[in-house]
Amino acid sequence: DAKTTQPNSMESNEEEPVHLPCNHSTISGTDYIHWYRQLPSQGPEYVIHGLTSNVNNRMASLAIAEDRKSSTLILHRATLRDAAVYYCILRDEGLVPRQLTFGSGTQLTVLP
Amino acid sequence: DADVTQTPRNRITKTGKRIMLECSQTKGHDRMYWYRQDPGLGLRLIYYSFDVKDINKGEISDGYSVSRQAQAKFSLSLESAIPNQTALYFCATSDSQVPATGELFFGEGSRLTVL
Repeated sequence: DAKTTQPNSMESNEEEPVHLPCNHSTISGTDYIHWYRQLPSQGPEYVIHGLTSNVNNRMASLAIAEDRKSSTLILHRATLRDAAVYYCILRDEGLVPRQLTFGSGTQLTVLP
Repeated sequence: DADVTQTPRNRITKTGKRIMLECSQTKGHDRMYWYRQDPGLGLRLIYYSFDVKDINKGEISDGYSVSRQAQAKFSLSLESAIPNQTALYFCATSDSQVPATGELFFGEGSRLTVL
């Protein structure tokens, strides 16, 4: 199964951009890249997903490498409320999910 | 009201007791999942169900069982709880119409402590 690798932790200053990396060197052509985040004492929540092209939504941007072996979640202006664990996972169309397990993610600390 | 509701939110029990965690959803989704979260280990999949009466083992199913009584309900049981099953448990749902692009929607979690 395709796996993802993320740094354990990152720090950012408030109101500065944050780039959270994810490596997925064994990604297949049908895998979508998804990002979730988990705020303290809450369940994970969806952030963004993409296949090949870069994606933007109201929460963040997703930059996908041309070979799709890595991606970067971009928070354009970090706020204290963005402090959370960020997970990168891969999902495909198959009837049997190839990956539904979240790794340990990246703990983002935002400094005031 | 939350779209994915878990009960109980907190439970303390003793070794050997039978415990049931319940999950109900109003999203109308056909797929449901149970995850376990331990500190520093992310979320690991216990069981998943793609429809009523469809049950599939996940990464760590030993010591657990599930029941999908209706499309909106998915229960997780610990037949004889042991201390290393102390964890935070999450239920999630997704829509089979968008298997790769649709969101997973999570409940708020059930914290289980086994003494």
